Amino acid sequence: EIVMTQSPATLSVSPGERATLSCRASQSISSNLAWYQQKPGQAPRLLIYGASTRATGIPARFSGSGSGTEFTLTISSLQSEDFAVYYCQQYYNWPPWTFGQGTKVEIK
Amino acid sequence: QVQLVESGGGVVQPGGSLRLSCAASGFTFSSYGMHWVRQAPGKGLEWVAFLRYDGSNKYYPDSVKGRFTISRDTSKNTLYLQMNSLRAEDTAVYYCAKSPYGSGSYYDYWGQGTLVTVSS
Repeated sequence: EIVMTQSPATLSVSPGERATLSCRASQSISSNLAWYQQKPGQAPRLLIYGASTRATGIPARFSGSGSGTEFTLTISSLQSEDFAVYYCQQYYNWPPWTFGQGTKVEIK
Repeated sequence: QVQLVESGGGVVQPGGSLRLSCAASGFTFSSYGMHWVRQAPGKGLEWVAFLRYDGSNKYYPDSVKGRFTISRDTSKNTLYLQMNSLRAEDTAVYYCAKSPYGSGSYYDYWGQGTLVTVSS
């Protein structure tokens, strides 16, 4: 089973600042990584797939990078609606499909 | 537009059973792989079950294998999760989620979730 590890657990950022979230895989997953955003009381929403491709309707301030075992989600200028929990997920070697434990982006 | 609407959650005693449903619309249901993913209160996401687009393969994690069964009715565009021998640790919001392909992948659409509480 591939273990996904996200850091940090919580990120405190001021509106308008850049946020950088990390995700590490326990073995190489090529570019088979997705990122999701989840707000309280809501279902997760797909942001990024293929490590760097934005899903339909996702603003350009969200960008993903990385391959192999190290991945990054960057939010270039945080808006109020971006404060949420973010999860990475690998789909390279399944089953199981595995998620990171999440990074909470909170207002500083 | 794609819509996934779960139902069937509720309170059940340990050892009991429950069947969740996910009504799908806005896409050709029989052409895509479908998943169930759960989230325990205050916790992260856990994949629970997968059904390949043609129904030929079903997968489960060890935590639910032998207790949960994923199935579908293509005439009703509905996905199911039969949950037996429920335990307290199965308490969670259960989401159905669609794969963008016939086989396993990421999840491009999610339902709103249905809460299952296992408690005496």
